[in-house]
Amino acid sequence: DAGVTQSPTHLIKTRGQHVTLRCSPISGHKSVSWYQQVLGQGPQFIFQYYEKEERGRGNFPDRFSARQFPNYSSELNVNALLLGDSALYLCASSNLPGLSGGYTFGSGTRLTVV
Amino acid sequence: DQQVKQNSPSLSVQEGRISILNCDYTNSMFDYFLWYKKYPAEGPTFLISISSIKDKNEDGRFTVFLNKSAKHLSLHIVPSQPGDSAVYFCSGSSNTGKLIFGQGTTLQVKP
Repeated sequence: DAGVTQSPTHLIKTRGQHVTLRCSPISGHKSVSWYQQVLGQGPQFIFQYYEKEERGRGNFPDRFSARQFPNYSSELNVNALLLGDSALYLCASSNLPGLSGGYTFGSGTRLTVV
Repeated sequence: DQQVKQNSPSLSVQEGRISILNCDYTNSMFDYFLWYKKYPAEGPTFLISISSIKDKNEDGRFTVFLNKSAKHLSLHIVPSQPGDSAVYFCSGSSNTGKLIFGQGTTLQVKP
């Protein structure tokens, strides 16, 4: 069974550019969440989607946006990139938006802004 | 406001001994606490969780203890194995499903 897949795995962008990161959840999972992990810190919540609707948003600027498609895959978009956006972006999927069994994470997209 | 704190950035133990990773939290609204393990170049992997109404949960070599009055939880790994060497993240979850992570503790298990 395929796990959570994210693309691309690595990306280098220039300040001011726009980036789109993609995530395919585990088959049957309807909830997708996005996290940003800066070096030396734990992952920080960005967005959660369930059944194509936004269920939660973290403390990130409006430059960050996301959406979920009918097949439950998701995109994270970041506009006007800043050097501080350099991080590992993680996607996580689950059956339900809130549960004890944990989320399954993908391996992430390493974004470097230069 | 850091709702989940892991005050020890690193821990080194000998193979076969016990590893104890600690975590403190401030948010009383968490209904579950979850531990994740992360290897380099991989995403976090779910390890074990505990409900806020429990004080202990055990799964094989892994046991999590919750002390609600102290707002403290700990993960015990017995016996520790070299393959356990990784970064361990403590997290809290409310009914929204959003996970709040600590900064992580790097565990090194020496053969």
